[in-house]
Amino acid sequence: DVKVTQSSRYLVKRTGEKVFLECVQDMDHENMFWYRQDPGLGLRLIYFSYDVKMKEKGDIPEGYSVSREKKERFSLILESASTNQTSMYLCASSLYLGDRVAREQYFGPGTRLTVT
Amino acid sequence: AQSVTQLGSHVSVSEGALVLLRCNYSSSVPPYLFWYVQYPNQGLQLLLKYTSAATLVKGINGFEAEFKKSETSFHLTKPSAHMSDAAEYFCAGLMNRDDKIIFGKGTRLHILP
Repeated sequence: DVKVTQSSRYLVKRTGEKVFLECVQDMDHENMFWYRQDPGLGLRLIYFSYDVKMKEKGDIPEGYSVSREKKERFSLILESASTNQTSMYLCASSLYLGDRVAREQYFGPGTRLTVT
Repeated sequence: AQSVTQLGSHVSVSEGALVLLRCNYSSSVPPYLFWYVQYPNQGLQLLLKYTSAATLVKGINGFEAEFKKSETSFHLTKPSAHMSDAAEYFCAGLMNRDDKIIFGKGTRLHILP
């Protein structure tokens, strides 16, 4: 089974702090993704990566950055946390199988971040 | 524009009744479609996926979905609801050559005893 783990289930940080959310997958997947989930808004893509050291902006990248130094690890960074970044953060990974192939994403358990 | 729309942010059914969660998509190319389930305080788990091999797709926990191109729909059904089915369900579509899946906003399923 694919396993995607996230470093923390719950996190409380203060406004202005630098926050690191870590995600690790153990199935040698090429693709990794960071989403935030808010009530009524569903999942919104923050950043994704197709390969080591590659990153692409998603729909809501403002206020976030990412790092992918190793294939299995994808980190989300909040440079200066703000209260509007209080949310559930979900990491996902998927295998690259070539064009036009149904590549489902596998999700981690999520990190519920509260910024006070 | 490509999109996935779930009709109804909350659906309530009685235990033992039919579950029907609606999903419609908009895509310029034949899509791949997915249903995910999220239990409280957990990540998303894949229920089933449509890959164009068969229009009726069976998934885990007794769920199935039917792809209807003429209606641009991919509704999720289960003949008999169980209390353990209470969760949030997300319909999603892969419509481009990249790997960005478009998610619907989710439907929270409530099971009434």
